[in-house]
Amino acid sequence: QVQLLQSGAEVKQPGASVKVSCKVSGYTLTDLSIHWVRQGPGKGLEWMGGFDIEEAETIYAQKFQGRVSMTEDASTDTAYMELSSLRYEDTAVYYCAAAAKWELLLRRSASFDYWGQGTLVIVSS
Amino acid sequence: EIVMTQSPATLSVSPGERATLSCRASQSVYSNLAWYQQKPGQAPRLLIYGASTRATGIPARFSGSGSGTEFTLTIRSLQSEDFAVYYCQQSNNWVSITFGQGTRLEIK
Repeated sequence: QVQLLQSGAEVKQPGASVKVSCKVSGYTLTDLSIHWVRQGPGKGLEWMGGFDIEEAETIYAQKFQGRVSMTEDASTDTAYMELSSLRYEDTAVYYCAAAAKWELLLRRSASFDYWGQGTLVIVSS
Repeated sequence: EIVMTQSPATLSVSPGERATLSCRASQSVYSNLAWYQQKPGQAPRLLIYGASTRATGIPARFSGSGSGTEFTLTIRSLQSEDFAVYYCQQSNNWVSITFGQGTRLEIK
């Protein structure tokens, strides 16, 4: 079965960058559309960006443009999300979420069948 | 950005009863609507996509309906494991995917 295994918790200072990894098993990374969603303490889910299967490119939520980068390493089936210029309000659990590209094409919309366990990022001085 | 508004914020229902959760979009998202369940300390779990199609392994007591701007998630005969937070999510366009703020379903 598909599993997404994320890297461990991080504590960063304001202004620093953090890079979270998401290792895929049970499927080939390039056959998945990987997205990133975060959840602040006691808050709801916030989509950050991911792979747009229609445009075949990575897209970012406007709120994070210029500060986030999402990349993939097909040789290791690992996706990465790097967030820079960290602020206190970036403290959150960061999830990678995915669906098979062929499923998304059938659905004609984005919904995520597979989720990582989450990575807690704490921004603190 | 399409804003998703869920109601109520908290819903109290007795086990065995039916729960009805609502989600409204600020503009039409057609049927591009998904529902997720999240329990404390866990990642979200996909329940419904395409407004009404159950995801793999989701029990038949979960059903979704609606299109355009008004959507409903119905859970029949509530089980103890169904008490959680539920989120709707739209993907009408891939440029911006948004979630509702969530509805907490609690035991009455």
